[in-house]
Amino acid sequence: DAGVTQSPTHLIKTRGQHVTLRCSPISGHKSVSWYQQVLGQGPQFIFQYYEKEERGRGNFPDRFSARQFPNYSSELNVNALLLGDSALYLCASSLIDRLAVNTEAFFGQGTRLTVV
Amino acid sequence: AQTVTQSQPEMSVQEAETVTLSCTYDTSESDYYLFWYKQPPSRQMILVIRQEAYKQQNATENRFSVNFQKAAKSFSLKISDSQLGDAAMYFCASTGGSEKLVFGKGTKLTVNP
Repeated sequence: DAGVTQSPTHLIKTRGQHVTLRCSPISGHKSVSWYQQVLGQGPQFIFQYYEKEERGRGNFPDRFSARQFPNYSSELNVNALLLGDSALYLCASSLIDRLAVNTEAFFGQGTRLTVV
Repeated sequence: AQTVTQSQPEMSVQEAETVTLSCTYDTSESDYYLFWYKQPPSRQMILVIRQEAYKQQNATENRFSVNFQKAAKSFSLKISDSQLGDAAMYFCASTGGSEKLVFGKGTKLTVNP
């Protein structure tokens, strides 16, 4: 069974540009979450989607948006890129919307975004 | 707001020895869950062990065990019989019954042969 897949694996963009990152969850998983991991830090929560609805949003500006499709895959969009947006973007999928001790979040390998 | 603190940026251990990674947290939730994740250079976050806050018994997974001190809000990870493959970044995380994980800054573990 395929795990969580993210594309692309690496990306270089210029300041002011727009970027779209993609995530395919594990088959059967309906919840997708996005995290930003800046170098030397732990991941920071950006969004969670469950059954195509936004269930949670972290402390990120409106330049960040996301959506979930009927097949439960998801896109993270970032507009007007800043140098500070350079980070590893991680996608995680889980069976249900509320993380609990018996509900594991499975992570993808991330997209490394570099803004120059 | 939930916070997670890992006070050891780096730790090292000799192969086959035991090492303990520290984590403290703060939450106003009455029911919450605690996790340790491993992130090797491949970048993928892998769940190592998890603990439900209302359970007093410490979780154990093979060579990995935790020391959960609820009153002190402490959740340390003990790795026994360390192996070269244990070398990685280790992140402590918590969730208060919500949809998100709150992570610490991580501890880089080096295993020396």
